Amino acid sequence: GQQLNQSPQSMFIQEGEDVSMNCTSSSIFNTWLWYKQDPGEGPVLLIALYKAGELTSNGRLTAQFGITRKDSFLNISASIPSDVGIYFCAGIIQGAQKLVFGQGTRLTINP
Amino acid sequence: GAVVSQHPSWVICKSGTSVKIECRSLDFQATTMFWYRQFPKQSLMLMATSNEGSKATYEQGVEKDKFLINHASLTLSTLTVTSAHPEDSSFYICSAAAGGLGDTQYFGPGTRLTVL
Repeated sequence: GQQLNQSPQSMFIQEGEDVSMNCTSSSIFNTWLWYKQDPGEGPVLLIALYKAGELTSNGRLTAQFGITRKDSFLNISASIPSDVGIYFCAGIIQGAQKLVFGQGTRLTINP
Repeated sequence: GAVVSQHPSWVICKSGTSVKIECRSLDFQATTMFWYRQFPKQSLMLMATSNEGSKATYEQGVEKDKFLINHASLTLSTLTVTSAHPEDSSFYICSAAAGGLGDTQYFGPGTRLTVL
């Protein structure tokens, strides 16, 4: 079953606004990853996090690995039209080796 | 770096036929490759994990005789959907990891399979 809860499921924002999404779980994770998927394409890795408390940026994107190792957030600042897409969190649970995915956050931007 | 390709990008086939999808890591050697299936507006669901030169490990509920996986080299894995039926229509995505299980996965662009 689904082990990651990702929210929100969808977002409708104005261009230029900041965006925040997060993933939580009852399990402890060793790795958190954030991917973006465009329609008809495979997911593209945005940010990888490997240590509790780690805060990493990639341009306008910032993600953090929660201290409890059970959550992570992704922020996008000053959104632009090409940010439209579906964002997935994914992680590797402690003691496991498979990647589990959140349900995705669909981002829509009004120009 | 870390580019993964898939071929074909889309395929339409008749019910009962078999379809082969290739996944290649172009600029790194992939110890482990993964196959996922994604239905419309849903997340990715892992089907199987394969290591070069060994049998694939299938997730619960995935028929290994229907979804044949071959990982013949460190840069190529294939998924064959045998005797395809309309319910097999989906978006199939592979990923590859250089360091094996637990390493960061890089995804291919996906293959859209439509079974008539």
